[in-house]
Amino acid sequence: DGGITQSPKYLFRKEGQNVTLSCEQNLNHDAMYWYRQDPGQGLRLIYYSQIVNDFQKGDIAEGYSVSREKKESFPLTVTSAQKNPTAFYLCASIGDRGYESGANVLTFGAGSRLTVL
Amino acid sequence: AQKITQTQPGMFVQEKEAVTLDCTYDTSDPSYGLFWYKQPSSGEMIFLIYQGSYDQQNATEGRYSLNFQKARKSANLVISASQLGDSAMYFCAMREYQTGANNLFFGTGTRLTVIP
Repeated sequence: DGGITQSPKYLFRKEGQNVTLSCEQNLNHDAMYWYRQDPGQGLRLIYYSQIVNDFQKGDIAEGYSVSREKKESFPLTVTSAQKNPTAFYLCASIGDRGYESGANVLTFGAGSRLTVL
Repeated sequence: AQKITQTQPGMFVQEKEAVTLDCTYDTSDPSYGLFWYKQPSSGEMIFLIYQGSYDQQNATEGRYSLNFQKARKSANLVISASQLGDSAMYFCAMREYQTGANNLFFGTGTRLTVIP
């Protein structure tokens, strides 16, 4: 079955450490996204990539980095520069549902919950 | 200004009854799409329904329907015959097609609890 796989599901980090969250998709989607979700809030865009070897900053990119060396993979690194990294991170990719032009539907992974100790 | 506003932090509904979750949006883009997502306690985001700005009829997908009132800039989700499995967070989102990037702007969500 096609989908998006995020790992790890839970991750604990000590202050000052970098951590990398994995996101892999087998949907053959070109565009991929990373969102952050804090309790009681919606999703905020960290980074997105429309194509391999290209990516753009979202609304809250400071303290994060990404790479897009392969179409299937879009890992997110949470660096020590991120002041408050404890959050739920969602990876997504976009594809056309096909029933209406423009109805591109963002498909999400199951998420990774990062806790800083 | 908020692109998407969901004013109901929490809602309760009796099993088998219908419930409406409110969503208003703000855009000057004439071409946009509105989405609803469900987020159960597991955390994943599940796409429910889509409405394009040029659609003449309200979208429906099974028990879900979208009450689209363009002049009021509202896109309320109606869930009919509620089930216990409908208990979850619900997010309204919007994409502005002319500004590109395929980004979706999300509201803060509504937590729906279905009571047996």
